[in-house]
Amino acid sequence: GQQLNQSPQSMFIQEGEDVSMNCTSSSIFNTWLWYKQDPGEGPVLLIALYKAGELTSNGRLTAQFGITRKDSFLNISASIPSDVGIYFCAKKESYNTDKLIFGTGTRLQVFP
Amino acid sequence: DAGVIQSPRHEVTEMGQEVTLRCKPISGHNSLFWYRQTMMRGLELLIYFNNNVPIDDSGMPEDRFSAKMPNASFSTLKIQPSEPRDSAVYFCASRLPELAGYNEQFFGPGTRLTVL
Repeated sequence: GQQLNQSPQSMFIQEGEDVSMNCTSSSIFNTWLWYKQDPGEGPVLLIALYKAGELTSNGRLTAQFGITRKDSFLNISASIPSDVGIYFCAKKESYNTDKLIFGTGTRLQVFP
Repeated sequence: DAGVIQSPRHEVTEMGQEVTLRCKPISGHNSLFWYRQTMMRGLELLIYFNNNVPIDDSGMPEDRFSAKMPNASFSTLKIQPSEPRDSAVYFCASRLPELAGYNEQFFGPGTRLTVL
């Protein structure tokens, strides 16, 4: 089946640093989603991308849909302690289904 | 507005027992999804419903798992008999009707299941 590989698996950074993580797919599709999961909670959608090359921001978060349609990155600027959590990319399995495939996740730890 | 409600939040049971997880989607949402999250396999979709009808159950691991959605405001995921390898966090998510593009799935807080 399709796989979404995220890197890095984990990051340990200091408060105030910028963060970059990415997600790659073995196949192309038309939607990239970035979710964040806080400890003990369900994932929450951060950013949705719908077109190749699209660059979208949500506060300190910026995500881009790669031109090849096989990858996406998420940047977090000036990290703060509440950015701690697991970040997942996700995409629809195919155009005619609501089934999402989730990436392996990037675990972010921010030290004050 | 209340979000997706799941119960129980934690369940500890013994192997062989029946387990029932419950979900109340957000009012007005017509799609409901059941996911399982484990360290080994990550977050994977088990089954989803549109308008109370199961659409894709290809992620249901085996016949021991069953899901129902008797009405628009309630769904259950049942495991009978349960096994230790079923230990995981089970999430329910719901979504508005998809008009154009993608509509966000809203996740519940999850049920942490431990099968001894």
